[in-house]
This record gives sequence, C-alpha cells and structure tokens, in this order.
Amino acid sequence: DIQMTQSPSSLSASVGDRVTITCRASQSISSYLNWYQQKPGQAPKLLIYAASSLQSGVPSRFSGSGSGTDFTLTISSLQPEDFATYYCQQSYSPLALTFGGGTKVEIK
Amino acid sequence: QVQVVQSGAEVKKPGASVKVSCKVSGYELSMHWVRQAPGKGLEWMGGFDPEDGKTLYAQNFQGRVTMTEDASTYTSYMELSSLRSEDTAVYYCTTVGIAVAGNYFDYWGQGTLVTVSS
Repeated sequence: DIQMTQSPSSLSASVGDRVTITCRASQSISSYLNWYQQKPGQAPKLLIYAASSLQSGVPSRFSGSGSGTDFTLTISSLQPEDFATYYCQQSYSPLALTFGGGTKVEIK
Repeated sequence: QVQVVQSGAEVKKPGASVKVSCKVSGYELSMHWVRQAPGKGLEWMGGFDPEDGKTLYAQNFQGRVTMTEDASTYTSYMELSSLRSEDTAVYYCTTVGIAVAGNYFDYWGQGTLVTVSS
C-alpha cells in the first residue's frame, strides 16, 4: 500500500497566521491527492481534490499544491473556524486508498 | 441539495455482526465506507467503483466486510462480521466524486458509532 506521511502531527498557530501542512507519499502519485478537514465530533469535509482544486464552497484562503510525492496544504490567514485536524488521502491506488495520519491545528 | 443519512449507534458483542445503512438523496449511489477508531485517524474500508461497477474492499477487511446497495431506495449497506473490540469505531459512508486526477470523497454521512463490548 502507498503510505502517506503528514508533518507536523500537530501545530499551534494564531489567528491570522499562514499555516502550511505537508504530506509525503511513499511513491509517486501524480496529482491524485485530496485534503480533508475534520472538527471534533463531525465527519470529515473535503477541502481540496486532485492536489490543487478547491472544492465548491470552501474559502479561498485554503490552497493545495504539489505533485509526485510531495504535497502542501496552505491556509493563508488562519481563522477561528479553521482549528481542526487535517488529513491528506491518495486516490492513485483505487484498490488501496490511504489517508495520512492527520495534522491537528491548535490555538496558540 | 445532497443529504447522506446513516443509521443509529450500535452495541455488539464480540463475534457478532453489524449492518450499518446509509441513505443518500440528491446524488448517485456509489458509496464508500471509512472508519475512525476513538482518537485515531481515518481508515478506508472499501466501496463501489463507479468506473467499472465493482465493489472494492480494503485488504484489512477482506472476508469480513460486505457492502451492498439498494438502488430502489438509494440506500447503501455495510456489514462487518466477526466483530472484535478493535472494531469499535465511528463508521462513515461517503459519496465519490470523479476528477481527472482520481476520485475524492465529497459528501459524508454523520457517522455511526459501533461499540464492540462483552
């Protein structure tokens, strides 16, 4: 299976900060990479698909980049509602879809 | 407006089976299932592949999980057998969107807590 490694596993940031989360695949996955946000007690929510396409209704402060093995989710100006856990997920191998371990974004 | 509604929480004994339902409205019925153990990350279990019409199962669940769909009621089902304590988790169903670069999970149910305890 393709392993997805996120870093950091957690971070503390302030409202207004620029936040960057990294996801690395154990092999090249082209642009087959999605990002999700999950708040406590809620289902995950799709933010970015195909590495850089913003899902409808998601604020433009969220952006995704990368291809091959290295990907980045960036929040340009962190808002109070953005404190959550973020997961990457590869869709390159449809027989074995895998998620990263998650990055928890906490209030500094 | 897309809605995905799952069945309610379940408590099962070790060795039993559980069947969770997921009703979708406003979207195609091609559901996948993802689970999350308490305090842990997301784990894909399997789902319907819209491109070839087959049901895919994650290797970790092969032989223990069965996913079915009733097109007449827009309802998907996930049945997990031979339950053990490690299967205690929230089980989510999700719809599948299709992009040039792979598929993605776009609409999620609210989750169903399955507790396995003697």
